[in-house]
Amino acid sequence: DAGVIQSPRHEVTEMGQEVTLRCKPISGHDYLFWYRQTMMRGLELLIYFNNNVPIDDSGMPEDRFSAKMPNASFSTLKIQPSEPRDSAVYFCASCRGGGYDGYTFGSGTRLTVV
Amino acid sequence: AQSVAQPEDQVNVAEGNPLTVKCTYSVSGNPYLFWYVQYPNRGLQFLLKYITGDNLVKGSYGFEAEFNKSQTSFHLKKPSALVSDSALYFCAVRGYGSGNTGKLIFGQGTTLQVKP
Repeated sequence: DAGVIQSPRHEVTEMGQEVTLRCKPISGHDYLFWYRQTMMRGLELLIYFNNNVPIDDSGMPEDRFSAKMPNASFSTLKIQPSEPRDSAVYFCASCRGGGYDGYTFGSGTRLTVV
Repeated sequence: AQSVAQPEDQVNVAEGNPLTVKCTYSVSGNPYLFWYVQYPNRGLQFLLKYITGDNLVKGSYGFEAEFNKSQTSFHLKKPSALVSDSALYFCAVRGYGSGNTGKLIFGQGTTLQVKP
């Protein structure tokens, strides 16, 4: 298996633009998580899905952020409009059966909003 | 409430010396504990886990962790540190209960610096 695949690896965008981050989880994994990592705030859980259904989105910072999982093999995290304070590394992770074996993380998307 | 604490922001150790990265946890049920490592510009990589059984768990890259139920700790150890072990280390515990099923609760991370 190729692991959790995220795209793009790097994204530079101007303030106010829409940004879409993509994630392909490991086949057979029924949980998918979106995290944000910054120096100031560390690793933050934004939202997670089970069987494509959002379970907890309490970590989503504001209405500018939205996430979807239309099927078991694809998820998106969208920021619209983007702001400089959204600059961070965004990670996707997946697991099977409730996390007893831990997660597999993607390599992340480094977002820079200028 | 379920939580993980890593009391040290940074641990410095000389190459060849033993290292310990500390972690304490609080969870309502049986603890499922994990250590992850993050190298610069990379995602988090699984190191090891404790589910049940022996209190000393062996993992990748020569790392091990000691589970201590009475002290609610799960410290990461390595007998002889390498410069290449320098990275950010995260401890995590699996959550329980409504809204936490499947969720790993991460500590804030500890930077390990191994000097030649």
